[in-house]
Amino acid sequence: AQSVAQPEDQVNVAEGNPLTVKCTYSVSGNPYLFWYVQYPNRGLQFLLKYITGDNLVKGSYGFEAEFNKSQTSFHLKKPSALVSDSALYFCAVRALGAGNMLTFGGGTRLMVKP
Amino acid sequence: SAVISQKPSRDICQRGTSLTIQCQVDSQVTMMFWYRQQPGQSLTLIATANQGSEATYESGFVIDKFPISRPNLTFSTLTVSNMSPEDSSIYLCSVCEGITEAFFGQGTRLTVV
Repeated sequence: AQSVAQPEDQVNVAEGNPLTVKCTYSVSGNPYLFWYVQYPNRGLQFLLKYITGDNLVKGSYGFEAEFNKSQTSFHLKKPSALVSDSALYFCAVRALGAGNMLTFGGGTRLMVKP
Repeated sequence: SAVISQKPSRDICQRGTSLTIQCQVDSQVTMMFWYRQQPGQSLTLIATANQGSEATYESGFVIDKFPISRPNLTFSTLTVSNMSPEDSSIYLCSVCEGITEAFFGQGTRLTVV
């Protein structure tokens, strides 16, 4: 069975400071890893993914994430946070043979304060 | 990328009634997924809907409560039957093909009173 953990329910950051939202996963075989963002009253928007290749993945809105196989982590990062980044962030994993099913973490609410 | 239109976007329903949520995709996809997001919670997969076969339900979800139709490769419906306040959630449909990212509809925010 595959699983995702987001250990922080909420992350508070001052605008302009770097941010990190943590994610660890458990899966059999090679993982496909994803980050999604959900703004109030909206669906999920895709941010970035890791399939293979370079461990540092760049995505939308200046976000990036680093795949670390030894630590089974896929933390989301941004060098300089914006107030408009405040939203709910979900990490998700899928493994080959899992029927394309995504397993989501519990979500982390990011609050960026001016 | 796939564009998914989901409707209604929100509804307030009386307990004991049923609501059907529609999901339309702008391209043909093999698998469609229905998720539930309870207030303040993460997404939980309800079922996987393949065209031409019965939907596959996850543990804790049954067809009598959440019947699903998948008449063609671009459309699916989810019905929430005999609703109770505990069914108040956001319901999302999703598609993905191969190893690409999943795409989501905007969600249906359901409130049962």
